[in-house]
Amino acid sequence: AQSVSQHNHHVILSEAASLELGCNYSYGGTVNLFWYVQYPGQHLQLLLKYFSGDPLVKGIKGFEAEFIKSKFSFNLRKPSVQWSDTAEYFCAVNAPNTGNQFYFGTGTSLTVIP
Amino acid sequence: DTGVSQDPRHKITKRGQNVTFRCDPISEHNRLYWYRQTLGQGPEFLTYFQNEAQLEKSRLLSDRFSAERPKGSFSTLEIQRTEQGDSAMYLCASSLGQISYEQYFGPGTRLTVT
Repeated sequence: AQSVSQHNHHVILSEAASLELGCNYSYGGTVNLFWYVQYPGQHLQLLLKYFSGDPLVKGIKGFEAEFIKSKFSFNLRKPSVQWSDTAEYFCAVNAPNTGNQFYFGTGTSLTVIP
Repeated sequence: DTGVSQDPRHKITKRGQNVTFRCDPISEHNRLYWYRQTLGQGPEFLTYFQNEAQLEKSRLLSDRFSAERPKGSFSTLEIQRTEQGDSAMYLCASSLGQISYEQYFGPGTRLTVT
């Protein structure tokens, strides 16, 4: 089974700081990659996704992620965070050739200090 | 907005009792997923339906868990003889399948087993 690792469990940043959250997965074949966000009191929503093509994908609210196949990574970035970005961030992987299961990381809690 | 809905939102039950949760997906979505999420963890895949067919089930899923999607619309997840370890948030998500792997999540049902 695939696994997803998010090494940053808690991140605290000041507003306007740059953000990078790490995500590594274990599967060597074709993958679909996702970042989901959960704002306080809300349910999970999609931030961005990668299926194929340009490895640099852009999502909502100024977020982007880069797929680096050789490193099995899909790190999330934002050049300047805002207080409203305070949330839990989850990386997820689906390997379509092996089934329809989605594997989520343990999440990274981001706190942005005004 | 007719997003994914789940009922009930909270359930407290005594150990040994049976519980049933309901999920209503977005109406045109043919795929439906159930996940379990405990504190500090990401969602853990339980099972997946395409229309009314249950196509995948996690090996970690106990025989006490059963899910149905009788008409390819709403789904139910039943847990028999609940145990304290079943306490978790149970999430439902739906998607358009091969058209889009994007999953739309519901608010979840929080189960507490006393």
